[in-house]
Amino acid sequence: EAEVAQSPRYKITEKSQAVAFWCDPISGHATLYWYRQILGQGPELLVQFQDESVVDDSQLPKDRFSAERLKGVDSTLKIQPAELGDSAMYLCASSHRDRDTGELFFGEGSRLTVL
Amino acid sequence: AQSVTQLGSHVSVSEGALVLLRCNYSSSVPPYLFWYVQYPNQGLQLLLKYTSAATLVKGINGFEAEFKKSETSFHLTKPSAHMSDAAEYFCAVSEGGAQKLVFGQGTRLTINP
Repeated sequence: EAEVAQSPRYKITEKSQAVAFWCDPISGHATLYWYRQILGQGPELLVQFQDESVVDDSQLPKDRFSAERLKGVDSTLKIQPAELGDSAMYLCASSHRDRDTGELFFGEGSRLTVL
Repeated sequence: AQSVTQLGSHVSVSEGALVLLRCNYSSSVPPYLFWYVQYPNQGLQLLLKYTSAATLVKGINGFEAEFKKSETSFHLTKPSAHMSDAAEYFCAVSEGGAQKLVFGQGTRLTINP
């Protein structure tokens, strides 16, 4: 069964360091999402890609976060510099462009701890 | 803009008892509704979805949910809880197409032996 791949699963870093997360969506899925999930809360959308284009990054803290999907396949989310409040689970998800339900398929997530 | 409210951040039931997790939504168009389950340190797995067909939706692991437009609700139920049902459950709403999924705050389900 096709899955969304994410790495690393766990990352511990010190405040002010740079971190990066990688996501490979299900083959053929044109839409890719990065969500942030703070412990005890629901996931919140950071950025949405349609192919290689950003369609929604309104909740992305652009002073320190960046995301790219250069060839419209895999994607990287970067944080520089990391702050204590960035400790969270970073979830990647993908979906078909033409599906009309909006169902998302999630990866296992990347757990970030900032010390 | 759509939104989701999950009533009760923590629900505790005995093994074999009825599970009821509440979800109310707000949407300006007919919504698509989802329940996802999350086990510790894992991603989200789809339990079931409502996509404007039957209002009573059956999902995996014996869960089902009923869409009630008049009450703007999509509550999740399971007749008999099992220890393996202990997890975090999220209700979510989408307006379809490539629109984003908006999640509720989640309900942690605990099963007592």
